[in-house]
Amino acid sequence: NAGVMQNPRHLVRRRGQEARLRCSPMKGHSHVYWYRQLPEEGLKFMVYLQKENIIDESGMPKERFSAEFPKEGPSILRIQQVVRGDSAAYFCASSETEEQYFGPGTRLTVT
Amino acid sequence: QKEVEQNSGPLSVPEGAIASLNCTYSDRVSQSFFWYRQYSGKSPELIMSIYSNGDKEDGRFTAQLNKASQYVSLLIRDSQPSDSATYLCAVPNYGQNFVFGPGTRLSVLP
Repeated sequence: NAGVMQNPRHLVRRRGQEARLRCSPMKGHSHVYWYRQLPEEGLKFMVYLQKENIIDESGMPKERFSAEFPKEGPSILRIQQVVRGDSAAYFCASSETEEQYFGPGTRLTVT
Repeated sequence: QKEVEQNSGPLSVPEGAIASLNCTYSDRVSQSFFWYRQYSGKSPELIMSIYSNGDKEDGRFTAQLNKASQYVSLLIRDSQPSDSATYLCAVPNYGQNFVFGPGTRLSVLP
């Protein structure tokens, strides 16, 4: 299966802990995007990365959130000191041209 | 930041009917448009892309684009209960990230 992979699929964290979400793009894709979807709401862009570079992070909160896409390995979205409002589905998408293909998502629950 | 508008629905159609989903966008320079389907609890799935004015058909799906009116639609012919989902319209936002509309929830009644 050469689709976009995300793990973990479900993640439970207590307030104040760190959450690390991983995304492996589709084979041959060099562009990775992270989106967040709050319950019953639309998809909101967070960050766009290429290998070793953040291209656009205009949708990402300035504090507590960071993202990377290293030369080797998956892209990682890191949320420090999680709060209840971070509970959401986090989707990664990848592309080589304009069409973006989504992974299955990570559902983060903050208790 | 571009804006993408969709009727939130729910849009209910009987099985076998044509479902018509509409999307308007704020920026005249947009050149490409994408429709995604999202089942409840699942991730968005790309179903159609359209770049030129007019119609583009793929099986039971037809995308229609009118750049002058800043309007793109998705028609689903012979709707099936399995088409019941939320349909998201997406437009590139001056780069490669997408701006998504809020989605239209479609319910196909058996």
